[in-house]
Amino acid sequence: QQQVKQSPQSLIVQKGGISIINCAYENTAFDYFPWYQQFPGKGPALLIAIRPDVSEKKEGRFTISFNKSAKQFSLHIMDSQPGDSATYFCAAIGGSQGNLIFGKGTKLSVKP
Amino acid sequence: SQTIHQWPATLVQPVGSPLSLECTVEGTSNPNLYWYRQAAGRGLQLLFYSVGIGQISSEVPQNLSASRPQDRQFILSSKKLLLSDSGFYLCAWSGTSGANVLTFGAGSRLTVL
Repeated sequence: QQQVKQSPQSLIVQKGGISIINCAYENTAFDYFPWYQQFPGKGPALLIAIRPDVSEKKEGRFTISFNKSAKQFSLHIMDSQPGDSATYFCAAIGGSQGNLIFGKGTKLSVKP
Repeated sequence: SQTIHQWPATLVQPVGSPLSLECTVEGTSNPNLYWYRQAAGRGLQLLFYSVGIGQISSEVPQNLSASRPQDRQFILSSKKLLLSDSGFYLCAWSGTSGANVLTFGAGSRLTVL
């Protein structure tokens, strides 16, 4: 009930391609869904976040798509660049869950 | 602006030795504070969180303990390290109202030999 399931575990994309990472949740009380980006040897940093009252949020090349009925959300990285190579974590929080619940992460490699 | 400091950045310790990792936050008051561990190539495991001085909640029973002696100081400790304690330790903070956005420190890489 409290899990956030993230896929794929790893992803290799060519430069200029679209990277897509998917997450699914069960707890309908979740009301905030952030994505974090982590470069090797660094702490994760907030990338983009969405609330369930909108179906999409875009910031530059990064877009979150949210499907409330399916309880799924995804991160799309358009025109992927080698500098986007990092591990991406989705997360969720809300209801009685006071702390962020993280997915297990997706390691993205963008090949030049 | 708020900043979070974590040290040491890297340490190598023998099995059975003690551990102390320190985290401080600047530019905010009464933050929620967190310790996470990340094993190599793995996800983020919440170890402890604190909503105030002296208030510690443990998420996973283990060889570690946490303390919050001051409002913006969070310490992770162990009396005797195990090999399995190796990993990347991350401190984080969040505000107490609104969206619970976590801001992470730069991390401490611990290798237990």
